Amino acid sequence: DAKTTQPNSMESNEEEPVHLPCNHSTISGTDYIHWYRQLPSQGPEYVIHGLTSNVNNRMASLAIAEDRKSSTLILHRATLRDAAVYYCILRDVWAGQNFVFGPGTRLSVLP
Amino acid sequence: NAGVTQTPKFQVLKTGQSMTLQCAQDMNHEYMSWYRQDPGMGLRLIHYSVGAGITDQGEVPNGYNVSRSTTEDFPLRLLSAAPSQTSVYFCASKRGGNGRAYEQYFGPGTRLTVT
Repeated sequence: DAKTTQPNSMESNEEEPVHLPCNHSTISGTDYIHWYRQLPSQGPEYVIHGLTSNVNNRMASLAIAEDRKSSTLILHRATLRDAAVYYCILRDVWAGQNFVFGPGTRLSVLP
Repeated sequence: NAGVTQTPKFQVLKTGQSMTLQCAQDMNHEYMSWYRQDPGMGLRLIHYSVGAGITDQGEVPNGYNVSRSTTEDFPLRLLSAAPSQTSVYFCASKRGGNGRAYEQYFGPGTRLTVT
């Protein structure tokens, strides 16, 4: 699987937007970009995924660069509950079923 | 739906003991997997299964066994516990099928300490 690079940590103020970046310069044409997050003392939970076009759901938006070498997870209004580790994962849909989790970005939300 | 359930939530073992971590899902998912997460690290895949009767090794399989006799259950067996297996263990499930990007659902985890 292609590798991803994320900042180790980020901070945000409550009720402000948060942009979490992910670089994936070796992404292949069949790699989907997945985002998961892990709240303290919980299992990871799905946030969003996409292939080429920007995606929106009730939790977040995913903005994918035109060359697909980077993407950004956008939380429109951070809440204290959004403090978590966010993982950006590439997954080739034709190469099996496994997800490879890196260290992710630890997001702190300040009141 | 209960989703993915794991038991026990906490366990302390002595070196050399064996035990089984239980995992069940009620979403009729074909794919199930076990991960371990050491402090401050991301998750690492131990074993996975793409359907009943089919299992395969992940990144860190040594010291663990799995079997998948039903779609719902995927137990993880520690054969002879070692302190290096102190970790938090997560079970996950997802719909199968190549060519599609399905989300994974994770259980709440089992925190295991080996002394």
